[in-house]
Amino acid sequence: NAGVTQTPKFQVLKTGQSMTLQCAQDMNHNSMYWYRQDPGMGLRLIYYSASEGTTDKGEVPNGYNVSRLNKREFSLRLESAAPSQTSVYFCASSASRVSQHFGDGTRLSIL
Amino acid sequence: EDKVVQSPLSLVVHEGDTVTLNCSYEVTNFRSLLWYKQEKKAPTFLFMLTSSGIEKKSGRLSSILDKKELFSILNITATQTGDSAVYLCAVEATGNQFYFGTGTSLTVIP
Repeated sequence: NAGVTQTPKFQVLKTGQSMTLQCAQDMNHNSMYWYRQDPGMGLRLIYYSASEGTTDKGEVPNGYNVSRLNKREFSLRLESAAPSQTSVYFCASSASRVSQHFGDGTRLSIL
Repeated sequence: EDKVVQSPLSLVVHEGDTVTLNCSYEVTNFRSLLWYKQEKKAPTFLFMLTSSGIEKKSGRLSSILDKKELFSILNITATQTGDSAVYLCAVEATGNQFYFGTGTSLTVIP
């Protein structure tokens, strides 16, 4: 009964380091999403993938890249981490026209 | 600029009270409005609304959408301590875009 699984749960990076956040879903959903959640800002969409092989920018894509490796997996990469990217990152997936299912989040701190 | 605004930002009530949470939006190419409950970790889905005036209900929770006035409300009756959470409103636009409000933090005191 996994749903959406995110790894790691916590990570501390130094400025300039790179890192990939992993997300996998076992619900056979076509669409997958990456959000960041900051205090007072709500959830903001970074990138999404409507189907395997496609990715599109969301509201705040700068500083991030994504890969839709297959239908199950959608990764988020920070090439050169900055303190402004300290946040909680959520991955979500959905079938067409229904609600999103969220993972438990990755808490990322960049020093 | 597309935006979703929730009010109040926070609310403290006693068990048994009824609360109303508000969500207004300005989003082009509206498709649906969704409500989520977020406790410690992942937001969990409550309602999806696509049509005006049709109330969605689940136990003590209910929600309604007004597409003319661009808002939705979430009502919780007979609140319990387990209702303490952040309630998020989101609007889906065409092209798989989702816009979230900042949430309303609800605390229910025994």
